[in-house]
Amino acid sequence: GENVEQHPSTLSVQEGDSAVIKCTYSDSASNYFPWYKQELGKRPQLIIDIRSNVGEKKDQRIAVTLNKTAKHFSLHITETQPEDSAVYFCAASQGGFKTIFGAGTRLFVKA
Amino acid sequence: KAGVTQTPRYLIKTRGQQVTLSCSPISGHRSVSWYQQTPGQGLQFLFEYFSETQRNKGNFPGRFSGRQFSNSRSEMNVSTLELGDSALYLCASSLAQAGGATDTQYFGPGTRLTVL
Repeated sequence: GENVEQHPSTLSVQEGDSAVIKCTYSDSASNYFPWYKQELGKRPQLIIDIRSNVGEKKDQRIAVTLNKTAKHFSLHITETQPEDSAVYFCAASQGGFKTIFGAGTRLFVKA
Repeated sequence: KAGVTQTPRYLIKTRGQQVTLSCSPISGHRSVSWYQQTPGQGLQFLFEYFSETQRNKGNFPGRFSGRQFSNSRSEMNVSTLELGDSALYLCASSLAQAGGATDTQYFGPGTRLTVL
């Protein structure tokens, strides 16, 4: 069945450093790739998304890249801050239907 | 617009009982998906409803069921509860327009179910 693999499961960085989280999807029909951030005790919140007709998208310190050929997409956070500490989920879907989530990456940003 | 709401927020049940959880999507959203979240297990897809029809189903036993009403509100039911059903149950709604122009899922706060 469809699957999204996410790595690493845990990531610890020093404040100010960059963090990169990588995901691989299996369903070639996937065309929408959102990233969610979930802080402790809160609901997942969309932070950035990318569609299959775009290779890269940036929003301030956050960027996402997509390689459709390799079925890879990645989240890049630059100049990390302690408030970036959370669990991040990648997901892949077909036009918003049948969304499959990765297992999540717990990011720790050390001050 | 009001966000996705879920009721109840917390629930304690005993093994063997059944439970019904409710989700009200953002006004105008036609798709509702349900997820189970347990510590270290990420978001496990349960099912997705669109226009009162179940479009997709995850790999959960038949004890887990759901439905969607004409106003897009959705309920999920778990019968014969087991200890392992203790989890945070999240629903998410999306606009799901034709062509997928707006595909983002917005999550509710979740219902934390504890089975004793």
